[in-house]
Amino acid sequence: DTEVTQTPKHLVMGMTNKKSLKCEQHMGHRAMYWYKQKAKKPPELMFVYSYEKLSINESVPSRFSPECPNSSLLNLHLHALQPEDSALYLCASSQDTESGSMDEQYFGPGTRLTVT
Amino acid sequence: AQSVTQPDIHITVSEGASLELRCNYSYGATPYLFWYVQSPGQGLQLLLKYFSGDTLVQGIKGFEAEFKRSQSSFNLRKPSVHWSDAAEYFCAVGATGGFKTIFGAGTRLFVKA
Repeated sequence: DTEVTQTPKHLVMGMTNKKSLKCEQHMGHRAMYWYKQKAKKPPELMFVYSYEKLSINESVPSRFSPECPNSSLLNLHLHALQPEDSALYLCASSQDTESGSMDEQYFGPGTRLTVT
Repeated sequence: AQSVTQPDIHITVSEGASLELRCNYSYGATPYLFWYVQSPGQGLQLLLKYFSGDTLVQGIKGFEAEFKRSQSSFNLRKPSVHWSDAAEYFCAVGATGGFKTIFGAGTRLFVKA
């Protein structure tokens, strides 16, 4: 199984709502990522978890809160978002080997988020 | 600093014609290079990758790419394009042992009948 799943596919939320995005993989990967992608733009890295510990936070506003409950799951908790946060949120995973190579990332289909 | 340039924002190719998408990178050491494809509303799928060795890399869906160190390029090619190849293509570079992948701006491929 080389699939990364994301739920929900679409989410509409108001600026005062609290919601969560979920990502799951069963490939045994130990690195998981959150990206934000605006229309006609490349993905922008937000967070990276390695062995369930936050490894990279690309200066993301605190209204985005990641969580990695176990090696297969990755959540992104959303609170008090702004309309400019509307985007496609992509989750990815990779093996996180220590061979010195750059592991390829497997992406989920994304959650289309609209903030009203 | 690492960077990736995809000079063509969009390209239109006739079905059955050959395709070449350009990618130039800037990186101090030997780069780890990738091509990803993204269909509308979907996530990214890896087409191929280059780490070392043979500079001509074969990927999925009939794609190949050639690493040219002297030109800092990693162009993607396909001999005969199918309508299903219409998508956004991203070239990317990664750092050794790290997690950060730097994506190019992308090239949108249109295929005409």
